[in-house]
Amino acid sequence: DVKVTQSSRYLVKRTGEKVFLECVQDMDHENMFWYRQDPGLGLRLIYFSYDVKMKEKGDIPEGYSVSREKKERFSLILESASTNQTSMYLCASILDRAGEQFFGPGTRLTVL
Amino acid sequence: RKEVEQDPGPFNVPEGATVAFNCTYSNSASQSFFWYRQDCRKEPKLLMSVYSSGNEDGRFTAQLNRASQYISLLIRDSKLSDSATYLCVVNHLTGNQFYFGTGTSLTVIP
Repeated sequence: DVKVTQSSRYLVKRTGEKVFLECVQDMDHENMFWYRQDPGLGLRLIYFSYDVKMKEKGDIPEGYSVSREKKERFSLILESASTNQTSMYLCASILDRAGEQFFGPGTRLTVL
Repeated sequence: RKEVEQDPGPFNVPEGATVAFNCTYSNSASQSFFWYRQDCRKEPKLLMSVYSSGNEDGRFTAQLNRASQYISLLIRDSKLSDSATYLCVVNHLTGNQFYFGTGTSLTVIP
């Protein structure tokens, strides 16, 4: 059974804190993605990675960075959390671009 | 202009009804098309891929119209368990990025 896991389901942080969101997949997929989902805006791509140590900016990379040191793990970093980064964060992985994206359960982040 | 646009609904239909959703995309270079289903407070899951010739999976039928740049999803004989948000997703093979619609909310009423 394929699986994408995320380190936390719920997270509450304070403005200015550094926040790490971890994502791990067990499917040996090359491609991994970080999205945020907000009401009325849908899923928006923050960053994606198509190989270890490779990363590309998505539509809304400002205020975020990522790390992919191992194939199975893709981390999203909020360097200095702000209230407008309160959102649901979803990680996904995919074998190839014509195939199915497998999502993690999501992390609901609240920044106070 | 948004890459992918969907009517957000909500669509409230009685059990047994047939309901159809449309989704338009702006980039004619789009190559892969999908419908995902997302239950409340859950992650999206693939419902079906959409092929050029159209495809059917039980009560669900997906179609692609390249000339008009839209995809559709038809649900026949709606069940209570079909209540969810349906997301239209498009991919350009010139890049690695997937574009999601904002979703269409469906509630099937007893």
